[in-house]
Amino acid sequence: AQTVTQSQPEMSVQEAETVTLSCTYDTSESDYYLFWYKQPPSRQMILVIRQEAYKQQNATENRFSVNFQKAAKSFSLKISDSQLGDAAMYFCAYRSLNNNDMRFGAGTRLTVKP
Amino acid sequence: KAGVTQTPRYLIKTRGQQVTLSCSPISGHRSVSWYQQTPGQGLQFLFEYFSETQRNKGNFPGRFSGRQFSNSRSEMNVSTLELGDSALYLCASSLGSGGANTQYFGPGTRLTVL
Repeated sequence: AQTVTQSQPEMSVQEAETVTLSCTYDTSESDYYLFWYKQPPSRQMILVIRQEAYKQQNATENRFSVNFQKAAKSFSLKISDSQLGDAAMYFCAYRSLNNNDMRFGAGTRLTVKP
Repeated sequence: KAGVTQTPRYLIKTRGQQVTLSCSPISGHRSVSWYQQTPGQGLQFLFEYFSETQRNKGNFPGRFSGRQFSNSRSEMNVSTLELGDSALYLCASSLGSGGANTQYFGPGTRLTVL
């Protein structure tokens, strides 16, 4: 079974600085999808970024980018120019090509200091 | 386009009762997945429905059931409630089934079992 590990329960970053959130996963599959979701205090899960495993190019969405290392099974999220609104729980998630459930990590709580 | 909506947003029940939660997907989305989020277990997949058929089920007892209607709206039912069922229940919709389809989450239903 696939598992997702986020080894940083909490992270803190100064406003306007850069922070990297770590995620590793375990799978025997070759095709799959990886996601980062953000859950602010309102509890609404918001998609931050998505990566297809067959693509070598790292996904980027404005200030958010990933470092996808398929061989190492690592999928970290980099947030540049951090803003107060980035404060939230961040979840890394894995989804198989054909299986319909999504496996989540335990989450990393990000605090942004003004 | 309207996002995923869930009703009710908050619910208080007592042990032994049953409860029904509702989820309306984004217009045009045919897949609805349900997740349970608790502080102890994190986010766990309950089941997914696509075209009124359950496609996959997580590791939950039979007290948890669901269904999907022809308009893609979905309901989740929990019978004989236990204290441990207190959780945030999240619904997510996607265009289709399978890992290639990004899931978009609703705001959740907070269930408290007394």
